[in-house]
Amino acid sequence: NAGVTQTPKFQVLKTGQSMTLQCAQDMNHEYMSWYRQDPGMGLRLIHYSVGAGITDQGEVPNGYNVSRSTTEDFPLRLLSAAPSQTSVYFCASSKGDRVYEQYFGPGTRLTVT
Amino acid sequence: EDQVTQSPEALRLQEGESSSLNCSYTVSGLRGLFWYRQDPGKGPEFLFTLYSAGEEKEKERLKATLTKKESFLHITAPKPEDSATYLCAPVGTTDSWGKLQFGAGTQVVVTP
Repeated sequence: NAGVTQTPKFQVLKTGQSMTLQCAQDMNHEYMSWYRQDPGMGLRLIHYSVGAGITDQGEVPNGYNVSRSTTEDFPLRLLSAAPSQTSVYFCASSKGDRVYEQYFGPGTRLTVT
Repeated sequence: EDQVTQSPEALRLQEGESSSLNCSYTVSGLRGLFWYRQDPGKGPEFLFTLYSAGEEKEKERLKATLTKKESFLHITAPKPEDSATYLCAPVGTTDSWGKLQFGAGTQVVVTP
């Protein structure tokens, strides 16, 4: 199993550009989520999904969109990038019966200039 | 509102020097408390789940304990490979299912 994969590893955007961070898992996990991690702020939940077709907002959802058309994939879209979205983004997944035992991907480091 | 505070922010240990990390929390009914480890440049990795006061879990040199207001992560005779940031996440019964709210973490450095 590859586990949780994220692409790209690094990305630089200009203010106002849009892009999609990809996340995929091959463990047939029902639950998937996106976090951002900033110095001094810790990990904060952006959006999460309890299954295909179902998504909900986390702590800091503004400026981000998600969809979950398959069990495996959970892309995160930045609609119009802002410098405040410079961060490291982590995707995570877990089984429904152990939902808090989450497997994290390696992260995407995003810089918005 | 749920709150979680981890202390100290950073801890520097000599190899073999045991110590404890603290996670203080306020939640409306505890569903569980979760410990994770994060190595530099990587995503967090799950360590332990604790459900009720008095419970303890062990893994190699790590032991996690739980009271009604705090959890401790004890590191016994640490080795350099135990260097990491340790994160705790208490989950209350009123929290959205699956949502983890992490503390800011304790960065541990173990020197040979």
